[in-house]
Amino acid sequence: GDSVTQMEGPVTLSEEACLTINCTYTATGYPSLFWYVQYPGEGLQLLLKATKADDKGSNKGFEATYRKETTSFHLEKGSVQVSDSAVYFCALSSGAGSYQLTFGKGTKLSVIP
Amino acid sequence: DAGVIQSPRHEVTEMGQEVTLRCKPISGHNSLFWYRQTMMRGLELLIYFNNNVPIDDSGMPEDRFSAKMPNASFSTLKIQPSEPRDSAVYFCASSSGAGGGYTFGSGTRLTVV
Repeated sequence: GDSVTQMEGPVTLSEEACLTINCTYTATGYPSLFWYVQYPGEGLQLLLKATKADDKGSNKGFEATYRKETTSFHLEKGSVQVSDSAVYFCALSSGAGSYQLTFGKGTKLSVIP
Repeated sequence: DAGVIQSPRHEVTEMGQEVTLRCKPISGHNSLFWYRQTMMRGLELLIYFNNNVPIDDSGMPEDRFSAKMPNASFSTLKIQPSEPRDSAVYFCASSSGAGGGYTFGSGTRLTVV
């Protein structure tokens, strides 16, 4: 079945540091890939997505590239801010008539001033 | 659009009582999902509906849990009787499918004492 594996957290970074959160997946067919962010006390929000190989999703300075050859969708940001502190979830949708998303376990990021 | 609306935001109830959580999806979205989030188990899919029909309820923990979607604009998740181990944040999400990802509500924080 479909699965998503994210790097274990928590991750603690200083402000302006570079961020990479690794995500790899297993899926049949050609899935769509997503990153969601959950700020404290809130629901999950879609951060970015990519629907086919080599697509790059980007939003709020975050980027992730759909790499079919390595089945990866790593989340990156060049300079994090305190306001980026949140839990980040990688997810995939395998399509093929199913609208169900498969989520990773989430990675908690804390950015300190 | 007001997004996915959940009510109540917080619910505190005594063990053995019936609890009903409510969700209004985004107009035009034809898929609706109920998730439970805890520190121990992370994000768990309980059930999802497509065009108001339950498609997969394999994540519903036991018979005490039931969900309905009487029309395209409303869904309920009921727990009867509630137990302390049901304490969690319950999220509703809706989707239009086709790789578009989900929109989550703000969640209901349930505490069973």
